[in-house]
Amino acid sequence: AQTVTQSQPEMSVQEAETVTLSCTYDTSESDYYLFWYKQPPSRQMILVIRQEAYKQQNATENRFSVNFQKAAKSFSLKISDSQLGDAAMYFCAYGLAGAQKLVFGQGTRLTINP
Amino acid sequence: DGGITQSPKYLFRKEGQNVTLSCEQNLNHDAMYWYRQDPGQGLRLIYYSQIVNDFQKGDIAEGYSVSREKKESFPLTVTSAQKNPTAFYLCASSQQDYSNQPQHFGDGTRLSIL
Repeated sequence: AQTVTQSQPEMSVQEAETVTLSCTYDTSESDYYLFWYKQPPSRQMILVIRQEAYKQQNATENRFSVNFQKAAKSFSLKISDSQLGDAAMYFCAYGLAGAQKLVFGQGTRLTINP
Repeated sequence: DGGITQSPKYLFRKEGQNVTLSCEQNLNHDAMYWYRQDPGQGLRLIYYSQIVNDFQKGDIAEGYSVSREKKESFPLTVTSAQKNPTAFYLCASSQQDYSNQPQHFGDGTRLSIL
């Protein structure tokens, strides 16, 4: 079974600085997708960024980028120029192509210090 | 605006009682999902449905039931057989091939035991 591990239960960063959240996953498959979701205090889950495993190029969305290392099964999220609104729980998720469910990590709580 | 509506926001259950959580979407999505979130943990899949009148068990389906009579609606019933129902419940939807399309989430329902 696929598993997703986020080894950092909590992280903090100064406003305007850069922070990297770690995620590793375990799979024997080659065709899959990886996601980072953000859950602010309002509790609604919001998609931050998505990566297709067959693409070598790392996905980028404005201040958010990933470092996807397929061989190492690592999918870290980098947040540049951190803002107070970035404070949230961040979940890494894995989805096997053609399957119908996502596997989520346990989350990392990110605090932004003003 | 298109989106997912979950109701109620807070729900209390008495011992031996069944309760139903509502989830409605107007995104015209084929697939819908129910997740359970416990403190400090990621999301765990309860049930999912790919099309009307069809649904599949997720990882923790025991003590729960669902129906999918309409494309836009996917209610979840927490039965008295679920001995530890206190949690935050999230409903989500996506296009048929969810792994290629992100899941959209509702605002959640917090269920507590009286």
